[in-house]
Amino acid sequence: GESVGLHLPTLSVQEGDNSIINCAYSNSASDYFIWYKQESGKGPQFIIDIRSNMDKRQGQRVTVLLNKTVKHLSLQIAATQPGDSAVYFCAETFDYKLSFGAGTTVTVRA
Amino acid sequence: DAGITQSPRYKITETGRQVTLMCHQTWSHSYMFWYRQDLGHGLRLIYYSAAADITDKGEVSDGYVVSRSKTENFPLTLESATRSQTSVYFCASSRTAATNEKLFFGSGTQLSVL
Repeated sequence: GESVGLHLPTLSVQEGDNSIINCAYSNSASDYFIWYKQESGKGPQFIIDIRSNMDKRQGQRVTVLLNKTVKHLSLQIAATQPGDSAVYFCAETFDYKLSFGAGTTVTVRA
Repeated sequence: DAGITQSPRYKITETGRQVTLMCHQTWSHSYMFWYRQDLGHGLRLIYYSAAADITDKGEVSDGYVVSRSKTENFPLTLESATRSQTSVYFCASSRTAATNEKLFFGSGTQLSVL
């Protein structure tokens, strides 16, 4: 089975609202986490990453939060736009391996 | 900046045929990877390479062969294609090990095995 998973396979968001995408991981030894965005017909694109010695990292309109106590990772997208519609994957690194979750499909409503 | 390119974009083949998917990167990244993406499974690692002439198996390597004679190229060969190998294949690269740094992905090859 997979050690990385997303709580919801789909998420529908009103344009302009904030989006929160969640991810649970099972291995407490994981030390590096990455969020990828995959648009239809394209390969995954890096969004943001975070290492286990941090609990928050901000990028442009995106924030990643890491809660090691409950082994939870989230991606927050501020002021969601139509271009944010995509599948979002979290990935974790443990035992020198990178493991991807199944993804959450985000749909932005106009 | 060409980045990482895959070819062909789409491929239809028949069971038992040999198929080679191409991957080329222009960044001189040491590490290259092949993943397959299937519904319900996310991205699964087929093979990876840490440098030219160094390759290693991933979690779903059976039925696949890779080579890396040059740093910039990492072709993936299906020696005798099966229907279960119908999938979208992504090549990726990174400057250092994927466990320490983000991957850059190609646009994918959609392979159908009839």
